[in-house]
Amino acid sequence: EVQLVVSGGDLVQPGGSLRLSCATSGFTFSDHYIDWVRQAPGRGLEWLGLTRNKANSYTTVYAASVEGRFTISRDESKSSVYLQMSSLKTEDTAVYFCARSQTASPINYWGQGTLVTVSS
Amino acid sequence: DIVMTQSPDSLAVSLGERATINCRSSQSVLANSNNKNYLTWYQQKPGQPPKLLISWASTRESGVPDRFSGSGSGTDFTLTISSLQAEDVAVYYCQQYYTTRRTFGQGTKVEIK
Repeated sequence: EVQLVVSGGDLVQPGGSLRLSCATSGFTFSDHYIDWVRQAPGRGLEWLGLTRNKANSYTTVYAASVEGRFTISRDESKSSVYLQMSSLKTEDTAVYFCARSQTASPINYWGQGTLVTVSS
Repeated sequence: DIVMTQSPDSLAVSLGERATINCRSSQSVLANSNNKNYLTWYQQKPGQPPKLLISWASTRESGVPDRFSGSGSGTDFTLTISSLQAEDVAVYYCQQYYTTRRTFGQGTKVEIK
């Protein structure tokens, strides 16, 4: 069974940093892209970025809104993907999802999400 | 980035009636190389992650009821629920995956009239 389990959500002050984890299982980790998507309270979905698969050297792409502040990385030994967030703003408050996709293919599996609250 | 615009933002439909949601992209998501539209539809219920309903604009995922259908090509797409059921109350999103920066529409909330 494909699973993506997101953890690490917390209350953080503006300007602070936080790292989210996405632990995966049930599929070949190196074959798939992993996307990060967020949803602010009562709002729609916002795609944040992705890490490509091993065949594409695990390269990353980011949405313009977070490029330079957010960094996606992988640990193949743990089948995990991380979202490092820095210089956090109140508008970064959201539920953060990780999800699985593939080259030029849609997201087909989602984790449950974790809440990040940026507030003083 | 490709901008995805859905209409309406919300709609209320009687049980058993048809619900139609539109999605327009700011540039074509049809690939000439394979004649495929890189457009997907998701359903999201409160407190849950999105669920993939339709990919390639019109291919229903396994297990998705056949009352859900997708159509359109290029820049204009439609999700149709042919006979609305109570369990279809949700927010529906389109997303393009033509470009690596995969953008979502703003969502359409479907309710029972």
